[in-house]
Amino acid sequence: AQSVAQPEDQVNVAEGNPLTVKCTYSVSGNPYLFWYVQYPNRGLQFLLKYITGDNLVKGSYGFEAEFNKSQTSFHLKKPSALVSDSALYFCAVRENYGGSQGNLIFGKGTKLSVKP
Amino acid sequence: DGGITQSPKYLFRKEGQNVTLSCEQNLNHDAMYWYRQDPGQGLRLIYYSQIVNDFQKGDIAEGYSVSREKKESFPLTVTSAQKNPTAFYLCASSTGVRETQYFGPGTRLLVL
Repeated sequence: AQSVAQPEDQVNVAEGNPLTVKCTYSVSGNPYLFWYVQYPNRGLQFLLKYITGDNLVKGSYGFEAEFNKSQTSFHLKKPSALVSDSALYFCAVRENYGGSQGNLIFGKGTKLSVKP
Repeated sequence: DGGITQSPKYLFRKEGQNVTLSCEQNLNHDAMYWYRQDPGQGLRLIYYSQIVNDFQKGDIAEGYSVSREKKESFPLTVTSAQKNPTAFYLCASSTGVRETQYFGPGTRLLVL
């Protein structure tokens, strides 16, 4: 079965420092991977996705993610964190096979806290 | 959140009552989805619909029902059979099941 794991419940970073939010996955076939961000009491906002091609994917708000096939990882990164980046971040993988093909499987989320 | 609206923002349910959550999109998307979000559990799929007049159960469909009579609308009913309905409910849509999903602002359901 396909799955995605976010090993850290919370990540704390000082403003201006680089940030990394980790995600690992388990899929059959080629992975289709997504990152979303959620601010309190709001819906999820799409940040970026990896389908194929360049392993470094650039997305919204200065975020990027690096796809690493050998480590089955898709970590979210930003060179310089802002206080306004504080939110809940979700990694997701798309089902590739079976009756639920196309549906997203979400990780449990990582809370990012950026301190001034 | 643009293009997908959910109402109400907050909803209170009494014991034994059915309640309906609204989801409307003006993005001309074919596929629509309902998720439930509980603290520390991420998002879990309740129901999804790939086209009008068709829908499929997700991972946690028990106690819920949906309809898809119009392309723009995908209402979710939380029935009295759902014994633990308190959660944040999120609707999403995409051009197709293989495409990026975009989310509405959510409805928080509370039990009185």
